[in-house]
Amino acid sequence: SAVISQKPSRDICQRGTSLTIQCQVDSQVTMMFWYRQQPGQSLTLIATANQGSEATYESGFVIDKFPISRPNLTFSTLTVSNMSPEDSSIYLCSVRAARNYEQYFGPGTRLTVT
Amino acid sequence: AQSVTQPDIHITVSEGASLELRCNYSYGATPYLFWYVQSPGQGLQLLLKYFSGDTLVQGIKGFEAEFKRSQSSFNLRKPSVHWSDAAEYFCAVGSNDYKLSFGAGTTVTVRA
Repeated sequence: SAVISQKPSRDICQRGTSLTIQCQVDSQVTMMFWYRQQPGQSLTLIATANQGSEATYESGFVIDKFPISRPNLTFSTLTVSNMSPEDSSIYLCSVRAARNYEQYFGPGTRLTVT
Repeated sequence: AQSVTQPDIHITVSEGASLELRCNYSYGATPYLFWYVQSPGQGLQLLLKYFSGDTLVQGIKGFEAEFKRSQSSFNLRKPSVHWSDAAEYFCAVGSNDYKLSFGAGTTVTVRA
């Protein structure tokens, strides 16, 4: 399995500001994803981070609000822009294992917007 | 589009008793099915997976799950729970483009 780290682990931010979350994997992976877990809720896929091209967003998520970068096969960032209290969630990155459909998750970034 | 239903929001079980968590999925093709566990303040850990083959799959921590195509189910079981099994459990279905759709989750409480 892959070892995934995320920074920061948690943050408290003010309304209207932006936060960039980093995801680092210890090996090259073909696919990386970003999920959101709102308080007491399940996980919802935000987007697929594509290496060398624009991310692919799911319905209800847009690039202006959640810009994503993926400069190489081991690193990705998710920015939560112009934050509001409704953005308070845990944001998780995941990676797809090379040989099968398994997905491994990072520890998550707990974001609170005040 | 795929979807997952976990009918039980919360289950309470005594330590040493058996546990079964239900999961029903909807997907047009052969599903890739997963169970994850999330302990308080922790990330998601993969318990087990089903891709093909034997419909009874073994996972970590003594868990197993059975895939039943006729019932569109992938229920998770453990013969004897430990206090450390108290957590949130998520069933997920994966599509051919590797995206996961998660169920709402089942919270398991273990009483002494």
